[in-house]
Formats: sequence, structure tokens, C-alpha cells
Amino acid sequence: AQKVTQAQTEISVVEKEDVTLDCVYETRDTTYYLFWYKQPPSGELVFLIRRNSFDEQNEISGRYSWNFQKSTSSFNFTITASQVVDSAVYFCALSDRDDKIIFGKGTRLHILP
Amino acid sequence: DGGITQSPKYLFRKEGQNVTLSCEQNLNHDAMYWYRQDPGQGLRLIYYSQIVNDFQKGDIAEGYSVSREKKESFPLTVTSAQKNPTAFYLCASSIHGRGDSNQPQHFGDGTRLSIL
Repeated sequence: AQKVTQAQTEISVVEKEDVTLDCVYETRDTTYYLFWYKQPPSGELVFLIRRNSFDEQNEISGRYSWNFQKSTSSFNFTITASQVVDSAVYFCALSDRDDKIIFGKGTRLHILP
Repeated sequence: DGGITQSPKYLFRKEGQNVTLSCEQNLNHDAMYWYRQDPGQGLRLIYYSQIVNDFQKGDIAEGYSVSREKKESFPLTVTSAQKNPTAFYLCASSIHGRGDSNQPQHFGDGTRLSIL
């Protein structure tokens, strides 16, 4: 069965610090996709990244980077030089052959000025 | 601009009433989804539709019903059978449904439903 675990319920860091959000997943399929979404206080979910199971290259987009490791079934998300605007709930999600996306419970990130 | 519109933003329901949440998209997406968000629970899938006139139950469909008569519309009805309807409801869409699980879902702004 699919499962996504975000063990960190809430994280607080001071602005400009780096922070890593953990995501561990379970699936029996060899083909699957992983996602990260951001949910700011306004409520809507914003798509950040999609990664397929055959591409283990890490990705960097500005201050955001993602570390995908199949050996540990993890897809961690790092924000470098955090800013107050990064404060949000971040969701990791998994989709395999069922076409449904399963979300983790989310990590609430507080960036303190 | 293309996007997903959910209305209303806030909704109040008396016990025993059915209430319908609206979701409209002009992205020409085939697939649409309804999620429920409770504190500490993340997002849970209620119903999804991969094509017009077809929909499937998600993980927590009991007490809910949907229809998909038009590609751009996927209304969710919260029936009186749903014993704990107070939650934040998010509608989403993706380009394709069946066989294209790699497509990201795009979300509306959500509707917050409360029981009076």
C-alpha cells in the first residue's frame, strides 16, 4: 500500500537559516511519482516539484533543493537561506499506478524574523 | 487567467442539511479531485473523476456525493449522512487522469465548511 510519512509536524527556524523537510514513502510499484506542495496561510496548494522514480538526480531551483534517494525511500526538501515568506505547510505526496495522489500529513514551517 | 474556482470560501450548514460545494476549472483538464483537510491529517481524497460522466470513490467517500456532467465542473455535495463535515475542502484538477499519474494537480483556494 502507498504511504507517505512526514515525521516533522512543525519546525521553527530563524530567517536565513537552512532547513530540511523530511519525506519517506512506501510503494510496491517500480514506477511512481513524488511531489512537493506548499500551502501558505491563504489555503491554496502550490505545486513545487514532480520527480519520477527513474530519475534520482537531485534538483535545485533557486533556494529550493530536493534530495531523492530510492535506497532509503526518501525525498527530502531543503530551503536554503530561509525567508519569512517561506512560512507555510509543506506536503509531500506520492502517486503510482492508481492515478491517485496520496499526501503526507504535512510539515508546518515557521520562519522567524 | 486559467485556474480553479471554488465557491463559496466559507460555508455554514445546519445539522441535517445537505450542502453543495462548487468547483469550476477553465484549464481544460480531464481529471478533477476533491480532498478534505483536517488539522494534523493532511489531505484525504474524497472522490475523483478522470473523465466526464465518470467518477470513483476515494478513501473517505461516505457521506459525500459528486457529479461530473461537464468537463469544467465537479460539485461536491456534503450530505446529512456525513457526521463530521466541519473541515477545509480542496478541489484539484490535472491534465489527464487515467495512466498519467505524473501530472501535478492544481488546486483551488478551498472552501471552509462549518456546522452551526
